[in-house]
Amino acid sequence: DVKVTQSSRYLVKRTGEKVFLECVQDMDHENMFWYRQDPGLGLRLIYFSYDVKMKEKGDIPEGYSVSREKKERFSLILESASTNQTSMYLCASSGTEAFFGQGTRLTVV
Amino acid sequence: GEDVEQSLFLSVREGDSSVINCTYTDSSSTYLYWYKQEPGAGLQLLTYIFSNMDMKQDQRLTVLLNKKDKHLSLRIADTQTGDSAIYFCAESRGNYGGSQGNLIFGKGTKLSVKP
Repeated sequence: DVKVTQSSRYLVKRTGEKVFLECVQDMDHENMFWYRQDPGLGLRLIYFSYDVKMKEKGDIPEGYSVSREKKERFSLILESASTNQTSMYLCASSGTEAFFGQGTRLTVV
Repeated sequence: GEDVEQSLFLSVREGDSSVINCTYTDSSSTYLYWYKQEPGAGLQLLTYIFSNMDMKQDQRLTVLLNKKDKHLSLRIADTQTGDSAIYFCAESRGNYGGSQGNLIFGKGTKLSVKP
């Protein structure tokens, strides 16, 4: 069974903290993605990576960075968390089909 | 710019058919997708259709694609209460060489199934 695993389902962080969201896939996919989902806005692409150590900005990269040191792992980093980054974060990996993790609901207080 | 539009709500009775509609703008999209999201969960891929197909059927699900009108629909036959969820239409971005996870999503249609 294919699997995309996000390390946390729920996180609460303070404003200004550095936050790491981790995602691991076991399908040997080259492409991995980070989206955020907000009510009324749907899913928006933050960053994606098509190979190890490669990254591309999506539609809303501001305030975020990413790391892809190994093929199976793609990390989203909030350098200094802000309250407007409170959201549901979804990781995906893809070949022909894109598979999503269960999501991390991040609250920044 | 690129955009995917779908209605926000649909309510049907158990046993009826549900039809969720979607329009998209990028004519170079290779694949079009339907995802299901249940409360508190991630997205589950339901089905997808390649852009050179008109129809795809998978058990209770039928996808129709009108490429001329850039219109995609998902029909769920014999809708059950367990089908209650948010359904997202998505198109692959045509300019990323087949990277199928680089998707543009609609805002989702909340399907409510009444017993």
